[in-house]
Amino acid sequence: KNQVEQSPQSLIILEGKNCTLQCNYTVSPFSNLRWYKQDTGRGPVSLTIMTFSENTKSNGRYTATLDADTKQSSLHITASQLSDSASYICVVSAAYNTDKLIFGTGTRLQVFP
Amino acid sequence: GAVVSQHPSWVICKSGTSVKIECRSLDFQATTMFWYRQFPKQSLMLMATSNEGSKATYEQGVEKDKFLINHASLTLSTLTVTSAHPEDSSFYICSASGPTGLPYEQYFGPGTRLTVT
Repeated sequence: KNQVEQSPQSLIILEGKNCTLQCNYTVSPFSNLRWYKQDTGRGPVSLTIMTFSENTKSNGRYTATLDADTKQSSLHITASQLSDSASYICVVSAAYNTDKLIFGTGTRLQVFP
Repeated sequence: GAVVSQHPSWVICKSGTSVKIECRSLDFQATTMFWYRQFPKQSLMLMATSNEGSKATYEQGVEKDKFLINHASLTLSTLTVTSAHPEDSSFYICSASGPTGLPYEQYFGPGTRLTVT
């Protein structure tokens, strides 16, 4: 069964600190993996998208890694800001249907001053 | 670029009435649009996929007669919740993809909060 699991479920950090969110998936055959940021009451916003051949991609203070062999990904946030408080969702697509997004349950990040 | 809007952003309606939600791609042609539903503290759940000019493809368990989807143009899709009931209260989000966007990318709208009383 195609699944995407994220950890931790929630995370609290202080402003300025770094953090790393984890994503494990069982989707096969793999096509691509995305990380989205979703503010409360808003739609998801794309942070990164990686295909099989990519093992790292950055977007400002966000850096995603992908290990397609172990089917793991991480999202590293550097020098966190209060505006980083949101849910971060790992989403994977299978090669036979790249339009069908398989969502993780998300990590709820709270950044405190 | 690649902006998707939704209207309204929130709506309250009485049980038994119908509600229409619009999804527009503002600066690109959306050959495919997707409608999702999200309940509190849960992931987005795909309801249906629509291609411009074609009938929508609904996910298993989604009533096509209750959730009417129209994708009449390359920039507009509508979702009509017919005979709404309180259990239809949810956050509805659309997304769009098209030939001018990044490969595999879906661009999400800001969502519509529906409350049925």
